[in-house]
Amino acid sequence: GAVVSQHPSRVICKSGTSVKIECRSLDFQATTMFWYRQFPKQSLMLMATSNEGSKATYEQGVEKDKFLINHASLTLSTLTVTSAHPEDSSFYICSAWTSGGARDTQYFGPGTRLTVL
Amino acid sequence: KQEVTQIPAALSVPEGENLVLNCSFTDSAIYNLQWFRQDPGKGLTSLLLIQSSQREQTSGRLNASLDKSSGRSTLYIAASQPGDSATYLCAVRLSQAGTALIFGKGTTLSVSS
Repeated sequence: GAVVSQHPSRVICKSGTSVKIECRSLDFQATTMFWYRQFPKQSLMLMATSNEGSKATYEQGVEKDKFLINHASLTLSTLTVTSAHPEDSSFYICSAWTSGGARDTQYFGPGTRLTVL
Repeated sequence: KQEVTQIPAALSVPEGENLVLNCSFTDSAIYNLQWFRQDPGKGLTSLLLIQSSQREQTSGRLNASLDKSSGRSTLYIAASQPGDSATYLCAVRLSQAGTALIFGKGTTLSVSS
């Protein structure tokens, strides 16, 4: 099946710093990438949808200036958490989707555990 | 607004038991429904995907059914094993292709040996 990677898998940072998380589709071109986050014992909640070459669409309540998303190519999207605070500590998961052929499904990355001290 | 609910939130069973996990959604206009498994601190593993025109899908000991009109899906696990212990998430995709998934909170399953 299709593979989506995320890097880093785990990051610990100090409050006030910025953290960049990469999401790559390794064997297909992703028309759209989604970013979700998951707080402990909660479900995945969509943060934003990004289409290659255009601005991301953010869900209500998600600050676009705090969570910067760049989808510069069909295989890479990045999420930057700017000026991170302890309440941003969460599990961030990306998924990649393409409209081509049988791949009409989303493929999820393994997630990134962010801990802000 | 589409909402996905999973019942029960947690379930403990002895090894070998057959079990059913339930998922309900408020808007029947879905494109497809997907069941995932999530191990603690890990990402998602897709188990079964049911298109809106389908009634069920099977994979090994897993069987997922979909009743779109009533907004329900069930995941049936036969002959449960300790290795089945995980959180099972149900997610729906709305009518448009390429839209994000809407997840339930999951059912955490514990199978004891």
